[in-house]
Amino acid sequence: EPEVTQTPSHQVTQMGQEVILRCVPISNHLYFYWYRQILGQKVEFLVSFYNNEISEKSEIFDDQFSVERPDGSNFTLKIRSTKLEDSAMYFCASITDRGYNSPLHFGNGTRLTVT
Amino acid sequence: DQQVKQNSPSLSVQEGRISILNCDYTNSMFDYFLWYKKYPAEGPTFLISISSIKDKNEDGRFTVFLNKSAKHLSLHIVPSQPGDSAVYFCAARRGADGLTFGKGTHLIIQP
Repeated sequence: EPEVTQTPSHQVTQMGQEVILRCVPISNHLYFYWYRQILGQKVEFLVSFYNNEISEKSEIFDDQFSVERPDGSNFTLKIRSTKLEDSAMYFCASITDRGYNSPLHFGNGTRLTVT
Repeated sequence: DQQVKQNSPSLSVQEGRISILNCDYTNSMFDYFLWYKKYPAEGPTFLISISSIKDKNEDGRFTVFLNKSAKHLSLHIVPSQPGDSAVYFCAARRGADGLTFGKGTHLIIQP
């Protein structure tokens, strides 16, 4: 069964550094998402992306965050200047369409640790 | 602002019995509800969903019930198996918006 793949599985960075988290969504999917889960807390929506532009973003997704689909397969999340509170699991997800029978498919996540 | 609430952080059920996981929501505009299962070090895996126009959806051992007037949904797993031990997330969506997740319930199936 096709999967959403994320790399790296664990990223350690120093505060203030830029990080790029990478995702390869399922090939025929059209909508792409980033979610995060801070340890012990719920999974939170960050941003959705369709047709090469952001379609929706949450309050968490401020100017420090950006997303890009640089080619036909990768979908990236960039954090420009990381803060300690950005430490979390970041999950990429994709979906074929937004119909009622279209659940999101998640990758296994990237654990970001900001020191 | 918790629009999706799972009030039980954990639930312990004996193998073979029924597991019932509960979820409440406050946003009456939600029209699609999903349950995800999550093992440690893995992403959430889709389990079952229900549209707001239905009150029940069944898939094998898993059944989701939706009570719109009470803004409540539940996931029933019967019979419960050891492999069902995981964290279960309730999620809701309004139209094309992103999913709103609950905090999760850790289900422990005891032999």
